Amino acid sequence: KAGVTQTPRYLIKTRGQQVTLSCSPISGHRSVSWYQQTPGQGLQFLFEYFSETQRNKGNFPGRFSGRQFSNSRSEMNVSTLELGDSALYLCASSRRGGNQPQHFGDGTRLSIL
Amino acid sequence: DQQVKQNSPSLSVQEGRISILNCDYTNSMFDYFLWYKKYPAEGPTFLISISSIKDKNEDGRFTVFLNKSAKHLSLHIVPSQPGDSAVYFCAAIINNNDMRFGAGTRLTVKP
Repeated sequence: KAGVTQTPRYLIKTRGQQVTLSCSPISGHRSVSWYQQTPGQGLQFLFEYFSETQRNKGNFPGRFSGRQFSNSRSEMNVSTLELGDSALYLCASSRRGGNQPQHFGDGTRLSIL
Repeated sequence: DQQVKQNSPSLSVQEGRISILNCDYTNSMFDYFLWYKKYPAEGPTFLISISSIKDKNEDGRFTVFLNKSAKHLSLHIVPSQPGDSAVYFCAAIINNNDMRFGAGTRLTVKP
C-alpha cells in the first residue's frame, strides 16, 4: 500500500513569490491535514480537509490556503512568501480524521531566500 | 499558544535502560493523546495513543501514562534500543478537531 506522497521534496523560493505544494494521501483516506514544522516550534496545524471541504483551520494568516480534490489529493498554497515561511511542510492523511492516527508524508522542505 | 509542551528538547539514555519522555498540556478539554516518532528526512510515524478515560496504555516496549489531574502524559520505552533514537512528538486532540503537537524531544540511545 503506497504511503502519503508529497511533492516536491525540496523547494527554494524568494520573498514575495507564491508556492503550491502537493499531497497524495493513502488510497481510501479522505482526511488530509497540513502542518508546518520549524525548529523549536514542533508541528503547527495549518488546516484539515475532508471530502473537498476545509473542516478545521489553525492560526495561520490568509496567505496560507489549501484545497482538496475529488480524489482526496490536496494542495497547499502560500502567497507572498516571507523569510519566516521557511520550514518543513508535512501532510498527513487518515480515513476519517478525528482521533484516528494520521499517516504522514516525508514533507516538502521550503527554503525562502 | 503552546497548549502542548515538551519541555525537554533532548534526552540521552543508555541502551537497555528506560527512556521517559514527558509532555504537559494546558487545555483540560483534550480527550485523546498520541505519540509520534520522527526520523530525519522522514515524516512522523504513529507510535501509541491513549484516550482520556484511561490512565495507561501499553504496546510492547512502549507504555503511555496519562495523569489528567496534573495534565501530564509520559511515554516509557523499556528497554531502550539504539534504533529508538529519534524525535518524539506528543499530540492532543479535542472533540475530533485539530491535533496540537508539542515541540518534540530528541531521544538518543547510546550503545
